[in-house]
Amino acid sequence: GESVGLHLPTLSVQEGDNSIINCAYSNSASDYFIWYKQESGKGPQFIIDIRSNMDKRQGQRVTVLLNKTVKHLSLQIAATQPGDSAVYFCAESPSGSRLTFGEGTQLTVNP
Amino acid sequence: GAVVSQHPSRVICKSGTSVKIECRSLDFQATTMFWYRQFPKQSLMLMATSNEGSKATYEQGVEKDKFLINHASLTLSTLTVTSAHPEDSSFYICSASFFSREGATQYFGPGTRLTVL
Repeated sequence: GESVGLHLPTLSVQEGDNSIINCAYSNSASDYFIWYKQESGKGPQFIIDIRSNMDKRQGQRVTVLLNKTVKHLSLQIAATQPGDSAVYFCAESPSGSRLTFGEGTQLTVNP
Repeated sequence: GAVVSQHPSRVICKSGTSVKIECRSLDFQATTMFWYRQFPKQSLMLMATSNEGSKATYEQGVEKDKFLINHASLTLSTLTVTSAHPEDSSFYICSASFFSREGATQYFGPGTRLTVL
């Protein structure tokens, strides 16, 4: 089912540091995974995705790692900037259909 | 590419009225769109899957007669909240499936903030 919580996990980092946001998924049938960034009052913004035939994928300043053995996904942000402050959601999907979202992590970047 | 818009971005209405929210895929055709609801400091909850030319598929616990969905074209889906009440106040977000060589990815609209007085 959907993850629901009243208190988002938080991560606070200094500007310029690297950030790592983690996510555990539950559906062994999921073969597609996405990271979204959501700023306050806005819709989720696609960051990067990965399919189950890969264990690592890199984008601009971001890297997603997938460990299917332990059903774990992580998002690494290099040289974190104040503009990276937002809530980050992982999402999983079997065969590219409906998405199931994680609870989200609030990233705060301190200047 | 893969831009999704929503209208309106914000709406305030009186209890008992109906509100229509539009979701458009601007630069691609979307046979499938999704409607989500998000309460403060919570994750996105899928309400329904909207399929062009057919009836929407609702998630368990979502009243289809209260949340009417119409997906009449490949670029437009609408969500109508009928007889809205204060507990319907929420952030409503749509997404559209964009198909590439690698498969399907969901792109989200900017959301609609509904406040029912």
